[in-house]
Amino acid sequence: KAGVTQTPRYLIKTRGQQVTLSCSPISGHRSVSWYQQTPGQGLQFLFEYFSETQRNKGNFPGRFSGRQFSNSRSEMNVSTLELGDSALYLCASSLAFKNTEAFFGQGTRLTVV
Amino acid sequence: LAKTTQPISMDSYEGQEVNITCSHNNIATNDYITWYQQFPSQGPRFIIQGYKTKVTNEVASLFIPADRKSSTLSLPRVSLSDTAVYYCLVGDSNYQLIWGAGTKLIIKP
Repeated sequence: KAGVTQTPRYLIKTRGQQVTLSCSPISGHRSVSWYQQTPGQGLQFLFEYFSETQRNKGNFPGRFSGRQFSNSRSEMNVSTLELGDSALYLCASSLAFKNTEAFFGQGTRLTVV
Repeated sequence: LAKTTQPISMDSYEGQEVNITCSHNNIATNDYITWYQQFPSQGPRFIIQGYKTKVTNEVASLFIPADRKSSTLSLPRVSLSDTAVYYCLVGDSNYQLIWGAGTKLIIKP
């Protein structure tokens, strides 16, 4: 059974640009959550999607958005990038909404210069 | 809002039992308490979760007192490969998931 796949693995962007990250969950999993991980702030919850609807949202500005498609694949978008957005972005999939037994991808390392 | 507290780091030796405690207040009354393990350059990996008392699986045990204000992850007979960061995860009454800051566990030979 394939795991959670995140693309791309590494990304370098310039301040002010926008970026889209992709996540393919485990087959059969309908919930996808996104996290930002930085050395100083640890794991910060961004949002969770279930059945194409955002069900929960963390405390991030509106520049961070996401969506989920009918095949459960998800994308997150960050607009007007800031230096502080440099982080590891992790996607996790689970069978159901707010299921804390989740499976994480390897993440996308975003560097904003 | 729920708040979690874990030790920043711990050291132990191969073959020892390691206990990592997470303190958490204002957590949701009917949510699981969950623990994850993370190696460098990888996403966190689910270890164990429980609601109350004691839960054991093939890799760890989880102890949760009746008041659910803390939980203790117990790793029996650790090896060098258990060197990682360990996170506790709880839910609060506002349906938010709160991650601990992580405990960096270093196992020495």
